[in-house]
Amino acid sequence: GAVVSQHPSWVICKSGTSVKIECRSLDFQATTMFWYRQFPKQSLMLMATSNEGSKATYEQGVEKDKFLINHASLTLSTLTVTSAHPEDSSFYICSANVPPTEAFFGQGTRLTVV
Amino acid sequence: QKEVEQDPGPLSVPEGAIVSLNCTYSNSAFQYFMWYRQYSRKGPELLMYTYSSGNKEDGRFTAQVDKSSKYISLFIRDSQPSDSATYLCAMSAAFSSASKIIFGSGTRLSIRP
Repeated sequence: GAVVSQHPSWVICKSGTSVKIECRSLDFQATTMFWYRQFPKQSLMLMATSNEGSKATYEQGVEKDKFLINHASLTLSTLTVTSAHPEDSSFYICSANVPPTEAFFGQGTRLTVV
Repeated sequence: QKEVEQDPGPLSVPEGAIVSLNCTYSNSAFQYFMWYRQYSRKGPELLMYTYSSGNKEDGRFTAQVDKSSKYISLFIRDSQPSDSATYLCAMSAAFSSASKIIFGSGTRLSIRP
């Protein structure tokens, strides 16, 4: 089946630095990928829709300058958390849809900002 | 009102019990209904999907959709400790590569040996 690979699986960074998270579709082309954020014991919150070759679409309340998304190829989308602060610590997950029915998720990235 | 409502639990049942997980929704445009299972610190994985109303069975799992009531259910028979996870209902109006999927808050399930 389709596989979405996300890297790194966990990262610790200092406050004020930037962190890049990669999401790759390994055996299919994904013109669209989705980025979610998940707080402990809460559901997935859609942050943005990443579109290959064009600007990402951000959900209301998500700072586009804070969470930079680049989708430069049909198999890679990246999320960069810029000037990270402790409140940005969370579990970030990407996904891509494979019609007709399934969304495949990456393994998730646990970000801890200290 | 959230588009999708799901009781967060936690729900704890003994091994072998039948588990019933439920979600309600408000958007009548939803046509695709899915259940995902998520283990701690992992990405969700698809358990079952149903298109429109009806039932679907896969081994110990049965998914039901009642569009007239805007209510979906997942039943787990002969529950096992390995079924302990968070179960997320999800739905969308269409399913293309660009379709947004709306998730419930997830129900944490624990199966006691």
